[in-house]
Amino acid sequence: NAGVTQTPKFQVLKTGQSMTLQCAQDMNHNSMYWYRQDPGMGLRLIYYSASEGTTDKGEVPNGYNVSRLNKREFSLRLESAAPSQTSVYFCASRGGGGQVYGYTFGSGTRLTVV
Amino acid sequence: ELKVEQNPLFLSMQEGKNYTIYCNYSTTSDRLYWYRQDPGKSLESLFVLLSNGAVKQEGRLMASLDTKARLSTLHITAAVHDLSATYFCAVENTGGFKTIFGAGTRLFVKA
Repeated sequence: NAGVTQTPKFQVLKTGQSMTLQCAQDMNHNSMYWYRQDPGMGLRLIYYSASEGTTDKGEVPNGYNVSRLNKREFSLRLESAAPSQTSVYFCASRGGGGQVYGYTFGSGTRLTVV
Repeated sequence: ELKVEQNPLFLSMQEGKNYTIYCNYSTTSDRLYWYRQDPGKSLESLFVLLSNGAVKQEGRLMASLDTKARLSTLHITAAVHDLSATYFCAVENTGGFKTIFGAGTRLFVKA
C-alpha cells in the first residue's frame, strides 16, 4: 500500500546508545517531517526537509540529526540517547503543487530510553 | 512565534449531543488542519482549511476557520461512540513547512 513506512515500530535503548529511525514514502512527496509525541503535548516538530537535499530545524532539534538520503527517505538519528527522548516518533510527508493536503503519517516508532 | 491552543483538552459527552472544539493560534497563518488519532494509532487527516470563512464537513464533523479571529472550530453533531478519539488542530506558519500542533482534545462519547 502507498504511504509512509517507518522502522522499527518499537525500540528500547540504554542511555548513551545511538540509533537511527528510518522513514520512506512512495508517494513522490517533496517534503518530509519528523515529529515526537509526548502525553498531553501534542506533536512537536523535530526536523523537516522541504525538498531533497535540504533539512531544517523544527521546535525541538537538540539531540537529533537527520539525513534526507533521497526523495523517498528521511532518517532521524539519536547520537547519544537520553531518557528525555523516550517518546513516540512519527514521520510524515506531504506533496506539493496546486493542491493542498494534510500530512500523511507513518505508523510511529515507540522508543524507550532506560 | 506560532502557538496553538486547543480547548477543551478532554471532553466526555453523551451520544446524540452536539459540541464544539476550539483551536486558537497566535500569528497569521494561511493553512489550518484537523487530524484524528485513535489510541495507539497514527494520525489521519480530516480537514484542510485554507481561507477565511472556509467550512468543510464530513459526516458528523464540521470544521470552520476565521483567520481574523485566528480561530478554528470543529463541531460535532449528534455524536456517536465511533467518534471517540483525540482530535488535533495544526497550523502552518506563513511561508509553509513548519506546522505546529495543538495539544489535542481527547473526546470520549458515551453510549
